[in-house]
Amino acid sequence: KAGVTQTPRYLIKTRGQQVTLSCSPISGHRSVSWYQQTPGQGLQFLFEYFSETQRNKGNFPGRFSGRQFSNSRSEMNVSTLELGDSALYLCASSLGAQGAGNIQYFGAGTRLSVL
Amino acid sequence: AQRVTQPEKLLSVFKGAPVELKCNYSYSGSPELFWYVQYSRQRLQLLLRHISRESIKGFTADLNKGETSFHLKKPFAQEEDSAMYYCALKGGNKLVFGAGTILRVKS
Repeated sequence: KAGVTQTPRYLIKTRGQQVTLSCSPISGHRSVSWYQQTPGQGLQFLFEYFSETQRNKGNFPGRFSGRQFSNSRSEMNVSTLELGDSALYLCASSLGAQGAGNIQYFGAGTRLSVL
Repeated sequence: AQRVTQPEKLLSVFKGAPVELKCNYSYSGSPELFWYVQYSRQRLQLLLRHISRESIKGFTADLNKGETSFHLKKPFAQEEDSAMYYCALKGGNKLVFGAGTILRVKS
């Protein structure tokens, strides 16, 4: 079974631009969560989608948004990029059910550099 | 609010020595706790979860609700255990991570 796939692996953007990151979950998984990882702040939860609905949201500004499609693939968008948005963005998928379904499987991440 | 604290940024031990990675949490409800590990150049992966009460790669972790702790232990460290370890708490639908502890096992 293929793991969580994130594309692209690397991105370089300039301040003010916008960016879209993509995540394909493990087949059969309906929940997709996004995290931002930085050396200073560690792993911070961005949002979670389940069955195309945002189920939970972290403490990030409205410039960070996401969506999920009917095939469970998810995209994350960041508008008006700032230097501080440079980070590794991780996507994780899970079955979405309680119990064993709560185990999250992580992708390799997209490394975003904002110049 | 949920909070996970890993007080040590770096833990350095010799091969064969016991290891204890500390994790304390704050959560008003009934938490689900996990340890995730990230080896060099690999993706973050689940090591173990408290409800399984299992030992993975020689590691165990016991949930102590009285002390609100979920420390990760291994009696004899191996060089291949060197990695970044994250303690995480799932409350509601949100998974909150600690800052992580780098474990360095020296030969």
